[in-house]
Amino acid sequence: AQKVTQAQTEISVVEKEDVTLDCVYETRDTTYYLFWYKQPPSGELVFLIRRNSFDEQNEISGRYSWNFQKSTSSFNFTITASQVVDSAVYFCALRGRSNNDMRFGAGTRLTVKP
Amino acid sequence: GAGVSQSPRYKVAKRGQDVALRCDPISGHVSLFWYQQALGQGPEFLTYFQNEAQLDKSGLPSDRFFAERPEGSVSTLKIQRTQQEDSAVYLCASSLEGEGFRGYEQYFGPGTRLTVT
Repeated sequence: AQKVTQAQTEISVVEKEDVTLDCVYETRDTTYYLFWYKQPPSGELVFLIRRNSFDEQNEISGRYSWNFQKSTSSFNFTITASQVVDSAVYFCALRGRSNNDMRFGAGTRLTVKP
Repeated sequence: GAGVSQSPRYKVAKRGQDVALRCDPISGHVSLFWYQQALGQGPEFLTYFQNEAQLDKSGLPSDRFFAERPEGSVSTLKIQRTQQEDSAVYLCASSLEGEGFRGYEQYFGPGTRLTVT
């Protein structure tokens, strides 16, 4: 079974604040893949990052960073110095090696106010 | 190169009508996925193709839903005798994934918003 939990339904911040989106997952697979996607108001899901279960290195890409911790089954996403254009729904997703489907969390709606 | 395209972008169907939703994946992508996204929810898996082979259709909600990819490129999701509960956004995604490594990212199309009245 695969499960992704994004406990934060909505977050609202003011521009330039840092914000962390939480993601907790469950899987029986020892090899699995984690993803973050952004869904802006236009509706199209935009791929942000993939992380393999055997690679626990954290990653930074500009203002975005990801913290993968197998010990707590978490894959959190931090936006530093948020901007209005970051406003979107963000989805965390999981795919176990033995699964054909990618399981998405319910999403976190981030609103960044000017 | 072009991304994943879907048509139509919007479809209104009367209850009981049949609909066909089209997906053009990224050229060269072996794998193709269909998802259903209800309002305020994350996408939910419907079915998975590798080339023309439908390897998994476990997510299709009923036998009214049917998908095909006859030449391993364009795919069509067909819904027969539509019901109101079928109203959702239908997303198509493609990836480089083939045999072996399952972890390639999926690239999504803009979706088809289906409204059944």
